[in-house]
Amino acid sequence: QVQLQESGPGLVKPSETLSLTCSVSGGSISNQYWSWIRQPPGKGLEWIGYIYYTGSTNYNPSLKSRVIMSVDTSKNQFSLKLNSVIAADTAVYYCARWYCSGPYCYYMDVWGRGTTVTVFS
Amino acid sequence: QIVVTQEPSFSVSPGGTVTLTCGLSSGSVSSGHYPNWYQQTPGQAPRTLIYNTDTRSSGVPDRFSGSILGNKAALTITGAQADDECDYYCMLYIGSGIRVFGGGTKVTVL
Repeated sequence: QVQLQESGPGLVKPSETLSLTCSVSGGSISNQYWSWIRQPPGKGLEWIGYIYYTGSTNYNPSLKSRVIMSVDTSKNQFSLKLNSVIAADTAVYYCARWYCSGPYCYYMDVWGRGTTVTVFS
Repeated sequence: QIVVTQEPSFSVSPGGTVTLTCGLSSGSVSSGHYPNWYQQTPGQAPRTLIYNTDTRSSGVPDRFSGSILGNKAALTITGAQADDECDYYCMLYIGSGIRVFGGGTKVTVL
């Protein structure tokens, strides 16, 4: 059974870069799509983007200028970098796997437990 | 900018039926938006209830159902139970690989 685990610093200073990693266990990162989603305190979910195991990406247009996702198949991990963070980037960050069939990806079927990142000076 | 709209809150009596909706700030929702519905209890990661408009995810009770109602996607809970009290989010595919979540609906069972 595939499990996901987010990891990274819990505190980031304004204007610096938030860096998170999602480790995949119980299955391979290959041939799958993976996403990052975040949730500010007391607010709703925000889709950040997705990455295919080949490294192909697609980002939320509102975050595109600051986001970089990458994948490391040798470590069965994928990562998120968010540049120039501000207080509004404070959130629980989740990683998730997409269930895909043929050319379509339908929903996120496996989620990590989430990690809290606070932007704090 | 495309906004996905949901009712902020809904109340339902135990055993009752409630229908949550998911709309677009401009235009109608169709099956081509591949509506997903996620359930989230406090402190937990979301769980998929419905995908591709009306397909229940594995293990989801059949009292949860998805549909298109008019120009919106809809999630209906039939026979509401106390543990259905939580937040519900829809997510739509808006093209070019982009997904957008709605603001969420807080359901109270009382």
